[in-house]
Amino acid sequence: SAVISQKPSRDICQRGTSLTIQCQVDSQVTMMFWYRQQPGQSLTLIATANQGSEATYESGFVIDKFPISRPNLTFSTLTVSNMSPEDSSIYLCSVERPPNEQFFGPGTRLTVL
Amino acid sequence: LAKTTQPISMDSYEGQEVNITCSHNNIATNDYITWYQQFPSQGPRFIIQGYKTKVTNEVASLFIPADRKSSTLSLPRVSLSDTAVYYCLVGGQAAGNKLTFGGGTRVLVKP
Repeated sequence: SAVISQKPSRDICQRGTSLTIQCQVDSQVTMMFWYRQQPGQSLTLIATANQGSEATYESGFVIDKFPISRPNLTFSTLTVSNMSPEDSSIYLCSVERPPNEQFFGPGTRLTVL
Repeated sequence: LAKTTQPISMDSYEGQEVNITCSHNNIATNDYITWYQQFPSQGPRFIIQGYKTKVTNEVASLFIPADRKSSTLSLPRVSLSDTAVYYCLVGGQAAGNKLTFGGGTRVLVKP
């Protein structure tokens, strides 16, 4: 298994500001994933983050809006930039454990006013 | 990536068996079927994974027919704490395989 923590657990932000979400894993992992879960909805993959390379974004998500850092094998950040109320969601990070299991963090609940 | 279809919601009572069927008509030869459980205010949690026939662990059983176009997650003797959203996913086992979540099934266990 993997123990994953996220900071902050929740935040309320003003329109136009940015928030950086941190994801810390208790062991080294190659790939980390960032998801968004809008209220009452399923999860949508934002991007995949490998250490030492640029993140790979899914359709509909761009680096300018959701810049990601992956400075080492246990840590990643996701920034939600220039926020609007439509960005209000739960943001989750996950890591992969072979053969094909992902472990998710507790999520960061973001409300944009 | 194979698309999945599940019932939106199901109600049950404590002690009953809950069976959730997922359709995945265009599943690929190398795709596995995986189920996740999500409680409110938590991230999804892996429950079970299988390729064909039947898989059982301490939490659930997964039944997969020969054509693999559907699968059924079986939760034996549910309790109130099994109230959650259950997601069926299909995909390969290669490293970096991206998970595509469908709508999930909201299971409500009543006393």
